[in-house]
Amino acid sequence: EPEVTQTPSHQVTQMGQEVILRCVPISNHLYFYWYRQILGQKVEFLVSFYNNEISEKSEIFDDQFSVERPDGSNFTLKIRSTKLEDSAMYFCASSRGGDEQFFGPGTRLTVL
Amino acid sequence: GNSVTQMEGPVTLSEEAFLTINCTYTATGYPSLFWYVQYPGEGLQLLLKATKADDKGSNKGFEATYRKETTSFHLEKGSVQVSDSAVYFCALRNSGGSNYKLTFGKGTLLTVNP
Repeated sequence: EPEVTQTPSHQVTQMGQEVILRCVPISNHLYFYWYRQILGQKVEFLVSFYNNEISEKSEIFDDQFSVERPDGSNFTLKIRSTKLEDSAMYFCASSRGGDEQFFGPGTRLTVL
Repeated sequence: GNSVTQMEGPVTLSEEAFLTINCTYTATGYPSLFWYVQYPGEGLQLLLKATKADDKGSNKGFEATYRKETTSFHLEKGSVQVSDSAVYFCALRNSGGSNYKLTFGKGTLLTVNP
């Protein structure tokens, strides 16, 4: 059964460093998403991506964040200069359209 | 804006007990409602959904009914098993257009003891 994969499973970085979180969505899906969950808080929407551009972003998704689909399979989230408050679990998801979103297992980002 | 409120966990039950996890929402229009489940070490998986008022979603013995009058979508199961131990998330999505983002509740950790 096809699934969304994410790497790495855990990323530790120093404050101010750049990180790239990687996702491989399901191959015939057209919509891609990033969500995050700070420990003990809600899962929050960050950004959606369709047809090689951002279709919607939340207020969390500021200039420090960017997304890219560099080839036909990967979907990446870059944080340019990490802050302590970026520590969270980051989930990638994909969907064909307005139907079920399939989620990856998440990347735990720890900023020291 | 949209919001989802779930009952606070953790919830601990014995096997074969009855489960209810409450979920209420605030949204404009007529959202679609979802329950996602996250097993240890895995991603969120769709458990069930309902797209209009009075719809009942069901899967694996779990049920939830879309109640527009009370803006609720409570999750129930008549007899839980140890394998149901997981985190459960209630979520909504606005209908129409191409805005597919999900708005989640905080999640409820369920532990079922043998």
